[in-house]
Amino acid sequence: GAVVSQHPSWVICKSGTSVKIECRSLDFQATTMFWYRQFPKQSLMLMATSNEGSKATYEQGVEKDKFLINHASLTLSTLTVTSAHPEDSSFYICSARPTGALGEQYFGPGTRLTVT
Amino acid sequence: GQNIDQPTEMTATEGAIVQINCTYQTSGFNGLFWYQQHAGEAPTFLSYNVLDGLEEKGRFSSFLSRSKGYSYLLLKELQMKDSASYLCAVRPRAAGNKLTFGGGTRVLVKP
Repeated sequence: GAVVSQHPSWVICKSGTSVKIECRSLDFQATTMFWYRQFPKQSLMLMATSNEGSKATYEQGVEKDKFLINHASLTLSTLTVTSAHPEDSSFYICSARPTGALGEQYFGPGTRLTVT
Repeated sequence: GQNIDQPTEMTATEGAIVQINCTYQTSGFNGLFWYQQHAGEAPTFLSYNVLDGLEEKGRFSSFLSRSKGYSYLLLKELQMKDSASYLCAVRPRAAGNKLTFGGGTRVLVKP
C-alpha cells in the first residue's frame, strides 16, 4: 500500500515553455502533498505544500507565479513549471501524507526535468 | 530555523555494521525520519522516531535522544545494495507536517 506515482518520469523541454508534472496517490487519499526539488548530490529542498481545495503554501524564495500548484482532488496534485529556463533543470519529487495519518510521507518516483 | 547535520560520506565493508549520526536543532520537535535514496530514485521510508529510544526493524535500527537533539541509523549485516544516500529529516512542531531534510549521508559498501 501507500503508493505514489508521478508523471512523467522524465521530460525535456525548450526554454520558455511550460511543463506540468502530476503526482497521484494511488491507494490512499492525501489532503496534503509536498513538492521538493533536488539538485545533483544535494538533499531535498521543500518547494511548497499543496493542500486539497485551497492555495498552496510556498517556501521562502520559491516563486509562486513560476511554480503553479493545483491540488484539485484528494489523490492528485500538479506542479506546472512556467516559462522554464535551464536553471530549472532538476529532479522534482512529490510526497503525500495519508489523510489523518500522523507519520511518514510517501514519496513518488520523481520527475527529471531538463530544460534546453 | 532548523539545522540538521549528518556526515557527508561513509564507507564500510559488506557484512559489517555502520552507524550514521544525525544531530538537529529545531524550534519544537514532532518526529524524526530516516529515508534511503538510491541515485536517481525517490527516497523510501525507513524509520520514524518520536519518543526516545531504539526502534528496530530487521537489519535497520534507529535511535533518538530528544534531550540531546541526536539520532542515529544503524545498518547491520551490510549488503552491496545498501549503498545509497541516507537522509535524516525532522518535523518541527510548528511546521505542521513539513519535513526538513539534512544533507544526506552517502554510504558506500565495499566487498
